[in-house]
Amino acid sequence: EDKVVQSPLSLVVHEGDTVTLNCSYEVTNFRSLLWYKQEKKAPTFLFMLTSSGIEKKSGRLSSILDKKELSSILNITATQTGDSAIYLCAVVTGSTGANSKLTFGKGITLSVRP
Amino acid sequence: DGGITQSPKYLFRKEGQNVTLSCEQNLNHDAMYWYRQDPGQGLRLIYYSQIVNDFQKGDIAEGYSVSREKKESFPLTVTSAQKNPTAFYLCASSIRETQYFGPGTRLLVL
Repeated sequence: EDKVVQSPLSLVVHEGDTVTLNCSYEVTNFRSLLWYKQEKKAPTFLFMLTSSGIEKKSGRLSSILDKKELSSILNITATQTGDSAIYLCAVVTGSTGANSKLTFGKGITLSVRP
Repeated sequence: DGGITQSPKYLFRKEGQNVTLSCEQNLNHDAMYWYRQDPGQGLRLIYYSQIVNDFQKGDIAEGYSVSREKKESFPLTVTSAQKNPTAFYLCASSIRETQYFGPGTRLLVL
């Protein structure tokens, strides 16, 4: 059974802090790893990672995949209260795009205090 | 305005009642998915469909049913066999590997 584990499950930081969110996986037929941010409703897409060691960046957020360690991290620098959300990690598996399936971790609840 | 819509936003179910959640997309995506989200549980896959008139069970399909008669639409029925239906239900669609989500329906039991 495919498994995705995120840690920590929750954390509280102050504005301006830097945080690192972790995601590890045990799956068969790995294709890619996705990060989503969920505030009140629908998760919104952040990053898709397929190659080990290549950092994806978007403003203060960055993410990297380590296929050897079967893990990924999501970094947020200079956190703001608007970063407060649940951060979801999902791993795409399957032999082709048409047969791909996502397995989600339980999510990390980040609270940024003023 | 392209996207995924779900309705209703809130739905109340009585004991023994079947209810249907709507999901529509105008993104021309082939694949559509239904997830259930409970506090502290992440997203769990209920059903998915890669093509019209075909769908597959996910990890927690018991007590649910779906249909895929049109590419744009993938309704989910929560049947009376689902004993613990209170949850947040998310519909998603994808054209390759990245899934895009609708705004969700919160189902509550009266």
